[in-house]
Amino acid sequence: NAGVTQTPKFQVLKTGQSMTLQCAQDMNHEYMSWYRQDPGMGLRLIHYSVGAGITDQGEVPNGYNVSRSTTEDFPLRLLSAAPSQTSVYFCASSYARDKGYTFGSGTRLTVV
Amino acid sequence: EDQVTQSPEALRLQEGESSSLNCSYTVSGLRGLFWYRQDPGKGPEFLFTLYSAGEEKEKERLKATLTKKESFLHITAPKPEDSATYLCAVFQTGANNLFFGTGTRLTVIP
Repeated sequence: NAGVTQTPKFQVLKTGQSMTLQCAQDMNHEYMSWYRQDPGMGLRLIHYSVGAGITDQGEVPNGYNVSRSTTEDFPLRLLSAAPSQTSVYFCASSYARDKGYTFGSGTRLTVV
Repeated sequence: EDQVTQSPEALRLQEGESSSLNCSYTVSGLRGLFWYRQDPGKGPEFLFTLYSAGEEKEKERLKATLTKKESFLHITAPKPEDSATYLCAVFQTGANNLFFGTGTRLTVIP
């Protein structure tokens, strides 16, 4: 099993550009989530989904959109990139939101 | 304010020198406490879940314990390959997600 696959691994954007971070899992997990990780701060939840067609906001949702059209995929869209969105982004999945998560390997995003 | 605090921020051990990492929490209605290991440039890797005070879980040189206010991750006779950042996270009643601490960066010197 591949687990949770994130693409791309690295990305540099200019301020104002938009892009989509891809996340796919092959474990048939219902729960998926996006976190960002910044130095000196814990992982912070951006958006999450408890199943196909159902999404909700986390702790830091501003500037990001998500959709969940299939169980497998949960893309994260940056609408208009800002330097404050420079971070490492992790996608995670689990069969339930209060169980152990499987994380992807991350996308390191730099906004200049 | 609900909080998860990990200490120390960084820890350097000689190979074979046992020690403990601490995760203290002030959340109400704890439903689970999680330990993860994160290697540089990689995503966190799930280690343990603890659900109630007094519970213990073990995996190789690692042993996690839980009380009503904190959890310890004991590392017995560590090896250099145990070097990583160890993250603690909690799930509380009514929450939508795990809440993570900032981690302890462990370095084991040969």
